[in-house]
Amino acid sequence: SQQGEEDPQALSIQEGENATMNCSYKTSINNLQWYRQNSGRGLVHLILIRSNEREKHSGRLRVTLDTSKKSSSLLITASRAADTASYFCATDSRDRDDKIIFGKGTRLHILP
Amino acid sequence: EAQVTQNPRYLITVTGKKLTVTCSQNMNHEYMSWYRQDPGLGLRQIYYSMNVEVTDKGDVPEGYKVSRKEKRNFPLILESPSPNQTSLYFCASSRSGSTTGELFFGEGSRLTVL
Repeated sequence: SQQGEEDPQALSIQEGENATMNCSYKTSINNLQWYRQNSGRGLVHLILIRSNEREKHSGRLRVTLDTSKKSSSLLITASRAADTASYFCATDSRDRDDKIIFGKGTRLHILP
Repeated sequence: EAQVTQNPRYLITVTGKKLTVTCSQNMNHEYMSWYRQDPGLGLRQIYYSMNVEVTDKGDVPEGYKVSRKEKRNFPLILESPSPNQTSLYFCASSRSGSTTGELFFGEGSRLTVL
């Protein structure tokens, strides 16, 4: 069963705009991670945020975590064509023996 | 270069013909895992291994076997493949399975079972 659910399922924006994707989960977590997948390729780790952190930055990426709402958001600023990909959140949960579980992903398309 | 290597990358086979997808990592990672990715279903975990000789079922283990005789290798075995096992398979590894769990993924193995 899925732990994280991304929203929206698909997103198209103009190059240069900011892209925001959300992830909701159901049970208490240790950490939440975001991954990127270019079409048909392996997933690439972007950022990890621990359950006691509220915000984290990495380059043009900003991740927030709200454990009271069991949700996270990934913001990509000043989007580029190369950001076109699917983005997945992944959580590891104390309630699931710390196994890492992925959501279904958000497909992001950056329009030129 | 740190990497996870899967082989084959593409395979077309027929129902019932046993096959093995190999996975090897060169990062001395303890944790390894297999996922399958299907449209609309995201990534689902098949099996995982916390260390040598330790393997556990994920969410969709039926029809699959794994072994972990060495730290670097984690092959996925389909004893009698069926068409519903047509999928994109990913192997991943991490230094630890949970709290420091950044996963490194292979490039994927696209399997078609006719």
